[in-house]
Amino acid sequence: NAGVTQTPKFRVLKTGQSMTLLCAQDMNHEYMYWYRQDPGMGLRLIHYSVGEGTTAKGEVPDGYNVSRLKKQNFLLGLESAAPSQTSVYFCASSKGLGRVDHNSPLHFGNGTRLTVT
Amino acid sequence: EDQVTQSPEALRLQEGESSSLNCSYTVSGLRGLFWYRQDPGKGPEFLFTLYSAGEEKEKERLKATLTKKESFLHITAPKPEDSATYLCAVQAAGNTGKLIFGQGTTLQVKP
Repeated sequence: NAGVTQTPKFRVLKTGQSMTLLCAQDMNHEYMYWYRQDPGMGLRLIHYSVGEGTTAKGEVPDGYNVSRLKKQNFLLGLESAAPSQTSVYFCASSKGLGRVDHNSPLHFGNGTRLTVT
Repeated sequence: EDQVTQSPEALRLQEGESSSLNCSYTVSGLRGLFWYRQDPGKGPEFLFTLYSAGEEKEKERLKATLTKKESFLHITAPKPEDSATYLCAVQAAGNTGKLIFGQGTTLQVKP
C-alpha cells in the first residue's frame, strides 16, 4: 500500500519557469490538500479539494493553480516560478469528514523539495 | 482568526528525562486537535486526534491531553528514537477538513 506518493522528490527551477507537482493516493480518499513548509512558518495550506472536479483556495494560494480531474490525483502547478516559492511541498489526503467526534486524519506524502533560483 | 502556537521551539532531553510539549490554540468551533510526528526529510505522521476538553490518548511513551485552550504532549522516559519534530494542528468547524498547523517543537533526546 503506497499511500500518498509525490513526484518529483527534488527540483530546481529558474525564475519564470513553470512546473507541475504530482500527487497520487491509493486509499480512495475524497479530500486532498497541498501544503508548503518553510522554516519558522509551519505548514501552510495552498489549495485543497473536497472531491473529484472541485478545488478551493487555502491560506497562501497566490502563484499556484491546482486540478483534480481524477479522484486519486491532485496536481499543483506553478505558472511562473519565483524565489519566494522555494519551499518543501507536501500533499495530503483524508477520507473526509465523518461524525464531529470521529474525524479522519490527513495522510501525508514525503514531500517535494523545490528550489527557485 | 484561527491560530496555533507551539512551545518550546526546541527541546533537548537526556534519555529517560520526561517532559511536555505545549500547543495553545484559538479556533472558532473545534472539530479536532491533531498531533503529528515528522522525521527529517519525511512527511508528517499521524499520532493522535483529540476532540473534547478532558480527553486523553496514549501511545507507547506519548500521552496527549486537551483543555479548552491548549493541548499537551507528555513524553515519559524518552528514548533517542523519539527525536523528531512534533506538530500540533487544529481542525475548525466547517466542511473543508483542512488543518491549521503550529510551527512545531523539535525534540532531541540524547543517550
